[in-house]
Amino acid sequence: DTGVSQDPRHKITKRGQNVTFRCDPISEHNRLYWYRQTLGQGPEFLTYFQNEAQLEKSRLLSDRFSAERPKGSFSTLEIQRTEQGDSAMYLCASSPRAERTYNEQFFGPGTRLTVL
Amino acid sequence: DAKTTQPPSMDCAEGRAANLPCNHSTISGNEYVYWYRQIHSQGPQYIIHGLKNNETNEMASLIITEDRKSSTLILPHATLRDTAVYYCIVRSGSNDYKLSFGAGTTVTVRA
Repeated sequence: DTGVSQDPRHKITKRGQNVTFRCDPISEHNRLYWYRQTLGQGPEFLTYFQNEAQLEKSRLLSDRFSAERPKGSFSTLEIQRTEQGDSAMYLCASSPRAERTYNEQFFGPGTRLTVL
Repeated sequence: DAKTTQPPSMDCAEGRAANLPCNHSTISGNEYVYWYRQIHSQGPQYIIHGLKNNETNEMASLIITEDRKSSTLILPHATLRDTAVYYCIVRSGSNDYKLSFGAGTTVTVRA
């Protein structure tokens, strides 16, 4: 399967613990995105990478959140000192370099985080 | 990005066409209309996009009104597997990277 993969698929943690999620984009996609989705809502943009450069961070991404894409391939999203409000589905997407006037984003299956 | 308005839910009979409306009255000239869908427990999936001409692909057709203030996504022969949340998104061209999802329309296809 050459789609976007995310690991783990599910994570249950206690409040105050740190968690890290991994996203492997489609090979050679230079753009990578993180979104968060809470129950009954559409996904909300968190951050965006072009190659290894993090080009934008949403105001939703508090200081407890950090994302990296060290070699321009896979990415990690870390949440420190988790809170119950962090419980959500964390979605990763990737897209190729836009050579036309649009770019389709390919989403992974998501990591569902539950903070107890 | 322009805001979109969609009905919260709709039902459709299996084998019939499903017509999903979307209002985007504040769309600007360089903004495209995109449709994604999200089947339960999966990530969103791209369906189709358009600027001002009607578009068709293997999944659906997109009809955009002449004034571009609204559009309709048409699933020509809905199947049970088309049950999903459908999102209409307006965004500008290649330099606008993020997708702004609303609540979407929950489409239930019934046998």
